[in-house]
Amino acid sequence: KAGVTQTPRYLIKTRGQQVTLSCSPISGHRSVSWYQQTPGQGLQFLFEYFSETQRNKGNFPGRFSGRQFSNSRSEMNVSTLELGDSALYLCASSLNRRETQYFGPGTRLLVL
Amino acid sequence: GENVEQHPSTLSVQEGDSAVIKCTYSDSASNYFPWYKQELGKRPQLIIDIRSNVGEKKDQRIAVTLNKTAKHFSLHITETQPEDSAVYFCAASKDFGNEKLTFGTGTRLTIIP
Repeated sequence: KAGVTQTPRYLIKTRGQQVTLSCSPISGHRSVSWYQQTPGQGLQFLFEYFSETQRNKGNFPGRFSGRQFSNSRSEMNVSTLELGDSALYLCASSLNRRETQYFGPGTRLLVL
Repeated sequence: GENVEQHPSTLSVQEGDSAVIKCTYSDSASNYFPWYKQELGKRPQLIIDIRSNVGEKKDQRIAVTLNKTAKHFSLHITETQPEDSAVYFCAASKDFGNEKLTFGTGTRLTIIP
């Protein structure tokens, strides 16, 4: 099976812009979680989606949002970008909510 | 919320020796503890995980031990090899798998040939 894929892999934006990142889970996986990875804060949980519904949310401002489609693909959106949003954004998929998570390669976002 | 502390932040061991990384967690309700390995520029990859109803789990050169009373768990790598060099993250969650993973801050392991 193909692994988790994320697009785009790299992105450069300027402050104030918005960005949409995409995640395609492993075929058959229904749960998708998003994480932000930075050198200073490490890996931090953003949110989790299952059956097109957000099931969990981390401690991030409302500028961070996401959604999941009927085919389990997920997108996350960051509005009004700030310099501190520069990070590697990872999504992880699992078969169901109580299964092992497998990570995608990430989208590296640079905000200038 | 859950807090996971990981030590040491860096670790260098001679090839062939053993490496041990330790994590402590704060929420006694946590019941799932995975370990991920992340090589430079690559995605985190699950290397081993353990549930709270098990005290130890082993997979070839890698083992994880869990002490629920003390709320800590450890990763043991024996007979280390150069390809073991990477950053290792521990994590904890309350609902096996997807009650959001809380990660430790990572340990950079360097194997010295």
